[in-house]
Amino acid sequence: GAGVSQSPRYKVAKRGQDVALRCDPISGHVSLFWYQQALGQGPEFLTYFQNEAQLDKSGLPSDRFFAERPEGSVSTLKIQRTQQEDSAVYLCASSAASGYMNTEAFFGQGTRLTVV
Amino acid sequence: QQQVKQSPQSLIVQKGGIPIINCAYENTAFDYFPWYQQFPGKGPALLIAIRPDVSEKKEGRFTISFNKSAKQFSLHIMDSQPGDSATYFCAASKGAQKLVFGQGTRLTINP
Repeated sequence: GAGVSQSPRYKVAKRGQDVALRCDPISGHVSLFWYQQALGQGPEFLTYFQNEAQLDKSGLPSDRFFAERPEGSVSTLKIQRTQQEDSAVYLCASSAASGYMNTEAFFGQGTRLTVV
Repeated sequence: QQQVKQSPQSLIVQKGGIPIINCAYENTAFDYFPWYQQFPGKGPALLIAIRPDVSEKKEGRFTISFNKSAKQFSLHIMDSQPGDSATYFCAASKGAQKLVFGQGTRLTINP
């Protein structure tokens, strides 16, 4: 595709509900990142994949958060038993970078999650 | 040690002025310093990036100044336009790893 695509754009979940957020990265991009952006704040790192391998999940705030990228392309971020503090914009980014040098990360438009 | 501190939080400049946004980092292992622009409802988009082996990089109206010894870098926008009104984030990373973002600067360019 032309860019990083995220779906849904908006999600309203009742507290305690499970949600799944999808990210379609740019074709051929090796690296995929998930970030969480609270209102008025900078994005904060959640997790990182290189192909299908999850190399860093140090930013996941609790064991209710789970991410996967089983075939090294599309990724899903799942949040179980959502809480109000999970309300944020979830951003996905992909890049061609691998190894030891960073290159441009392209961001999707994000999924705005509101937990009520 | 992973923090990137950004200032000011908000900035208002007249059209044609030169807004300057500053960032400071602590982790000397960082080797990639991008600036992102974000409009409401959109994801961040890369403006310009620099690596620590150069002290300045210019692309169009955007310039990054980098001071490795002070662990600081800044964004200058020349001949600013109302269309530049957005939130700007500095960031830093080590290798091909996660970006650590600053807190953001909401820039308003008045006509």
